[in-house]
Amino acid sequence: DVKVTQSSRYLVKRTGEKVFLECVQDMDHENMFWYRQDPGLGLRLIYFSYDVKMKEKGDIPEGYSVSREKKERFSLILESASTNQTSMYLCASMNPSGLTDTQYFGPGTRLTVL
Amino acid sequence: GESVGLHLPTLSVQEGDNSIINCAYSNSASDYFIWYKQESGKGPQFIIDIRSNMDKRQGQRVTVLLNKTVKHLSLQIAATQPGDSAVYFCAENRQRINKFYFGSGTKLNVKP
Repeated sequence: DVKVTQSSRYLVKRTGEKVFLECVQDMDHENMFWYRQDPGLGLRLIYFSYDVKMKEKGDIPEGYSVSREKKERFSLILESASTNQTSMYLCASMNPSGLTDTQYFGPGTRLTVL
Repeated sequence: GESVGLHLPTLSVQEGDNSIINCAYSNSASDYFIWYKQESGKGPQFIIDIRSNMDKRQGQRVTVLLNKTVKHLSLQIAATQPGDSAVYFCAENRQRINKFYFGSGTKLNVKP
């Protein structure tokens, strides 16, 4: 089974802090994604990566950056956290050349910015 | 604009009954659809998928129906169980690009 893990389940940070959210997948997937999930809005794509050191902006990249130095690891960075970044953050991975185009999700990190 | 949405935000069913969760999409170019289940405090879990060259696909206790004419997708759960209580949402993918669009979800409550 595909396993996607995220470094923290719950995180509390203060406004202005730099925040790192880590995601690791163990299935050698090429593509990795970061979403945020807010009530009534569904999942919104922040950034995705289709290869090491490659990244593409999603629908809401403002205030975020990403890093993919190794294939299995995709990091989301909040350079200066703000209260409107309080949300559930979900990481996902997929293999675009696989039998399905399914994205596999991690358990999520619930971030609260005070 | 393009949207993926759900008709009902909350659905309550009796244990043992069948459940039907609906999803509308607006882009006729969408060619791949997924249903996810998300339990409280967990990440979304893949349930079943369907491609646009099909109109029906069955899994274990679940069936997905796709009506391309009216751009409608539904998830049927047979003999609903308490463990099926969760938020269900659909996602669409367009022409194998790396972007999925997700609905906001329907919460399924299963009453004992």
